[in-house]
Amino acid sequence: GEDVEQSLFLSVREGDSSVINCTYTDSSSTYLYWYKQEPGAGLQLLTYIFSNMDMKQDQRLTVLLNKKDKHLSLRIADTQTGDSAIYFCAGGSYQLTFGKGTKLSVIP
Amino acid sequence: NAGVTQTPKFQVLKTGQSMTLQCAQDMNHEYMSWYRQDPGMGLRLIHYSVGAGITDQGEVPNGYNVSRSTTEDFPLRLLSAAPSQTSVYFCASSYSRTGTGNTEAFFGQGTRLTVV
Repeated sequence: GEDVEQSLFLSVREGDSSVINCTYTDSSSTYLYWYKQEPGAGLQLLTYIFSNMDMKQDQRLTVLLNKKDKHLSLRIADTQTGDSAIYFCAGGSYQLTFGKGTKLSVIP
Repeated sequence: NAGVTQTPKFQVLKTGQSMTLQCAQDMNHEYMSWYRQDPGMGLRLIHYSVGAGITDQGEVPNGYNVSRSTTEDFPLRLLSAAPSQTSVYFCASSYSRTGTGNTEAFFGQGTRLTVV
């Protein structure tokens, strides 16, 4: 099955860019996802990338996919305090497997 | 548009008690699943269902039962609660099995369960 790894914590200053990294093992994942979880809430889909793409940009969000290294990253430009949350990467060709989540703290 | 609704939001159980966590979705999704979220462990799949009448085990199924008699409902039963089942439980649904296309998973708000 899929194994997804990501660092647990990231702290950035308001206005800076945040980069959250993720590695995965299942190269047959058709889509790779980023989910956001705000305190006390469920997960919400933030963005996704199709496996044959290298990059996807959506307003302040940029997703980079390096299939050779099985590395996925999420860049948040101009990070705001409202971006403070836990971010999960997820993938899998059969079942959706989540990473442990990266807690992003934004310092005002 | 309610999406995925979980009840209750909070629950405290004594060891050995049983209870059912409810999950309902109104999006006519075939695929539903239950996860538990523990600190530092991410989300782990407990059970899932690919349609009414069909269920299967995930990564951590022991101590939990599920059934899927309708498309809308997917209850999770704890038969004899143990402190190790203290966790936050999330129900999710999607149009089809994730990985077979761009099938966004929609999550409920979670049930915070404490077993004492």
